[in-house]
Amino acid sequence: KNQVEQSPQSLIILEGKNCTLQCNYTVSPFSNLRWYKQDTGRGPVSLTIMTFSENTKSNGRYTATLDADTKQSSLHITASQLSDSASYICVVSARITGGGNKLTFGTGTQLKVEL
Amino acid sequence: DAGITQSPRHKVTETGTPVTLRCHQTENHRYMYWYRQDPGHGLRLIHYSYGVKDTDKGEVSDGYSVSRSKTEDFLLTLESATSSQTSVYFCAIMDSYNYGYTFGSGTRLTVV
Repeated sequence: KNQVEQSPQSLIILEGKNCTLQCNYTVSPFSNLRWYKQDTGRGPVSLTIMTFSENTKSNGRYTATLDADTKQSSLHITASQLSDSASYICVVSARITGGGNKLTFGTGTQLKVEL
Repeated sequence: DAGITQSPRHKVTETGTPVTLRCHQTENHRYMYWYRQDPGHGLRLIHYSYGVKDTDKGEVSDGYSVSRSKTEDFLLTLESATSSQTSVYFCAIMDSYNYGYTFGSGTRLTVV
């Protein structure tokens, strides 16, 4: 069964600090891995997408890494801001017959940035 | 979110009544999806569509039906709402060129 597990479940950090969120997956056949940010009451918004051959990708203060051998990914947030308070969701895509893909979602890490 | 809107944003309904949620896109994308989001679970796929009148079931399709008569609209219907269908429902569209997904802002449905 395809699964995506994220840790920690929740995290509180002070503004300006860095943090790293983790994602472990058992999804096959692997197509790509995505990180989304979901603000309260809103839909998820894409931060990064990485294929098998990519091991790092940045989007501003967000840097995602992928180790396809160990099936692990991390999302590093640098110099956190209050607006970073949100749920961060790891999503792994598997290839399916016919050329489509199937997404498996993690349950997210709830990040709160405080003054 | 730009290009995709869901309606209504909030709805309270009684057990046993039919409910229809609407997803509208202006991007002309072929693929559209309905997900539900519940505490302790990642988003779970209910139904998806790969073209007008072409739909298929996802992992939690029981109690739901969908229709897509136009490229821009994808409707999700709960034929007879139950309390277990209380959830936040998200519609998504997929760009076939870069496989990017864009999600709507969600519909919070409460079945009492």
